[in-house]
Amino acid sequence: DTEVTQTPKHLVMGMTNKKSLKCEQHMGHRAMYWYKQKAKKPPELMFVYSYEKLSINESVPSRFSPECPNSSLLNLHLHALQPEDSALYLCASSETGGSEKLFFGSGTQLSVL
Amino acid sequence: GEDVEQSLFLSVREGDSSVINCTYTDSSSTYLYWYKQEPGAGLQLLTYIFSNMDMKQDQRLTVLLNKKDKHLSLRIADTQTGDSAIYFCAESPSGGYQKVTFGIGTKLQVIP
Repeated sequence: DTEVTQTPKHLVMGMTNKKSLKCEQHMGHRAMYWYKQKAKKPPELMFVYSYEKLSINESVPSRFSPECPNSSLLNLHLHALQPEDSALYLCASSETGGSEKLFFGSGTQLSVL
Repeated sequence: GEDVEQSLFLSVREGDSSVINCTYTDSSSTYLYWYKQEPGAGLQLLTYIFSNMDMKQDQRLTVLLNKKDKHLSLRIADTQTGDSAIYFCAESPSGGYQKVTFGIGTKLQVIP
């Protein structure tokens, strides 16, 4: 299994809602990532978890809250988002050590109204 | 800081070769990658090269690295309509779960 699975594929939420994005991989990878991608732009790193511990936070606003319950799962909790947070949110995983070949999920297209 | 630059658009005819170019600024880059993104999808790693290599070939894909000029290219032989996508050049420093920096992406259009 070389897949990274993200749910939901599409999400529309209001600025007062609380929602969560989910990501799962069964490749035994110990590093997992959240990226944000705006239209016609490259992915921008948000968070990195290594061995279930948060190792990189790219100064992301606190309305985005990551969680790594175990080595296969990664969540991104969303609260009080702004319309400018609308984007494609991509999860990725990789082995730790050596070249960081990232395996990406197909993303969650988020719209904040 | 790190910077990766690519041209925005490339159009080729089906069956021709495509060459997508990339330049990077970080001399400590150890790994250089090419990712492909189709509409509505995530990124797919196509190939990667270590900075101590000049060339890597994988079926229709050839990666050339000029470390002196910090120039990376991806050649796709016999380009097919299914190759139409956005191609991202990316780089990362040596090992571990380091930050991967992506270029802006080159949109490849294949004309039948």
